[in-house]
Amino acid sequence: GDSVTQMEGPVTLSEEAFLTINCTYTATGYPSLFWYVQYPGEGLQLLLKATKADDKGSNKGFEATYRKETTSFHLEKGSVQVSDSAVYFCAPQNSGGYQKVTFGTGTKLQVIP
Amino acid sequence: KAGVTQTPRYLIKTRGQQVTLSCSPISGHRSVSWYQQTPGQGLQFLFEYFSETQRNKGNFPGRFSGRQFSNSRSEMNVSTLELGDSALYLCASSFKLGADGYTFGSGTRLTVV
Repeated sequence: GDSVTQMEGPVTLSEEAFLTINCTYTATGYPSLFWYVQYPGEGLQLLLKATKADDKGSNKGFEATYRKETTSFHLEKGSVQVSDSAVYFCAPQNSGGYQKVTFGTGTKLQVIP
Repeated sequence: KAGVTQTPRYLIKTRGQQVTLSCSPISGHRSVSWYQQTPGQGLQFLFEYFSETQRNKGNFPGRFSGRQFSNSRSEMNVSTLELGDSALYLCASSFKLGADGYTFGSGTRLTVV
């Protein structure tokens, strides 16, 4: 079945630091790739997505590029803020019918002032 | 437009009891999925419904069940509650099965004592 490997957290960064959260996946077929974010006490929110190789998803300063050759979808942000403190989930999802989403274990990010 | 609404937000039940959780998807969304989130196991897929039919099921015992109504609202039921069922239960909706990504509710926090 599909699987996702995310870098272990928690990740602690100072404000304005550069962020990278690694994500690699195994999936049958050609999945779409998603990053979700979960703020404390809330459900998950779709952060960004990419649907084909070399696509770059972006939102709120976050970016991730669909790397089919390395089956990776690393999340990056050039300058993190305290408000970015949350748990980030990588999630491939196969299209075309009855395919469920596979979520990574989540990476907790803590940004300190 | 209104988001995904889950009720109740918090619930405390006793071992052996049963519980029903409710989810109202975004208007027009026909797919509803349920996830269990715990610190130890992360996000685990329970089931997905589309047009009142269960399309996918995760690896949970038969005590966990669900259904979807004609207006796309969904309920999940857990019978004979165990302490280990304490978790955040998240509902997510999407317009269709496939690769558009999901919109999550804020979840129902179930505590079994």
